[in-house]
Parts: sequence; C-alpha cells; structure tokens
Amino acid sequence: AQSVTQPDIHITVSEGASLELRCNYSYGATPYLFWYVQSPGQGLQLLLKYFSGDTLVQGIKGFEAEFKRSQSSFNLRKPSVHWSDAAEYFCAGALRDDYKLSFGAGTTVTVRA
Amino acid sequence: GAVVSQHPSWVICKSGTSVKIECRSLDFQATTMFWYRQFPKQSLMLMATSNEGSKATYEQGVEKDKFLINHASLTLSTLTVTSAHPEDSSFYICSASRTSGSYQETQYFGPGTRLLVL
Repeated sequence: AQSVTQPDIHITVSEGASLELRCNYSYGATPYLFWYVQSPGQGLQLLLKYFSGDTLVQGIKGFEAEFKRSQSSFNLRKPSVHWSDAAEYFCAGALRDDYKLSFGAGTTVTVRA
Repeated sequence: GAVVSQHPSWVICKSGTSVKIECRSLDFQATTMFWYRQFPKQSLMLMATSNEGSKATYEQGVEKDKFLINHASLTLSTLTVTSAHPEDSSFYICSASRTSGSYQETQYFGPGTRLLVL
C-alpha cells in the first residue's frame, strides 16, 4: 500500500539553527511529493512540491527539499529557522495517475529563543 | 492566486442538527475538490473526492448518507454533516485543484472549519 512516513513526531530547534524534517515514502513508482505547513488552527499551506526533474526543490519561506530515490526520501530543510517557523509540517504523496494525497502523521516544530 | 476559502470558520451546533460547510475556489475553477477531516494532533484523513457535476467518491469507512457532498459548480463544493453528534466534532478542511488533461494539479487548501457538536 502507498504510504508516507514522518519518523519524527516532534522536533525542537533553536532560532537561527538549521532544521531538517524527514519524510519517507513507499510507493510502487515515483510519486508526486509535497510538503505542507499548518499553523495552529489554520489550513495547510504548500511549501514545495516535487513532480520530476531536478531533485533539489526550492520552496517558499526559505525551505528546500531533496528527493532521493535510493533512500525513498524527501526531506525538508531550512538553513536558519525563525520563530515564525514553529508549526506542524506534513509530507504528502500522490500517485502520478491518482490525485489522492496520502499524508504523513506530521512533525511538530518548536522553535526556542 | 489559488486561494480557497471555507465558511464558516467555526460552528457550534446541538446534537441532531445538520451543518453545512462551504468551500470556494476564489480565483480559479476547481475541477476537483477534496474534503478532509483532522482530529487534534493527527494528520488529515481524506473523506471524499468530488468532481463538478458528478457524485462524490467516498473513502472507505465514510458514511455517505451522513456526510453529504455537493459540487454544483466549478468554484463551490459543500459538505453537510447530517444529524451531527459529538463524535463528529472535528476540523474539516477542503482542498481544490484543476485538471489539465490527465494531469492533476496541486491541491490548494482552505483554512478549515472547526465543528463542535454539543
């Protein structure tokens, strides 16, 4: 079955430090992959997406993600976090011929001063 | 661009009543709209997929008679929770996307509707 896994439930990082959120996928073929961010009580905002081509994807708010086929991963990174980056982050995948998104369980990011 | 709105943003209702939630794509025509449910501290679970002008496709375990979905136009989909009960209390989120040929575009999410059934 297709699935997306986020191994880290909660990550705490200091403001200004780098951040990496892990995402692994299990699909029969290379899926479309997405990272979304959700602030408390809000809907989801698309940070970036990977469909094909360059495996390093740039997104909004200074985020980037790297698709690694050999590791079935699509990890999200940010070189220097800001207090406003504290939120819930969801990785999601979809088959290329099926538009349904499967979400990971999410990773809560806490930013300490 | 690609803005999706939901109304209301939150609603409190008595057990046994029905609640309608609207999802609108404001600046694009949404061929497909999706409805998700999110429990506290949990991920989003897809409830159903609706295509404009046709019946919604429900995910396994979702009661179609309880969660009525209508996608009457390319910019509006509604979710009606019929005879709501406390266990229906949740955060309901819609998303919308366009289809270009066989290519399904990115889903854009609404801000969500928090439902509390007393």
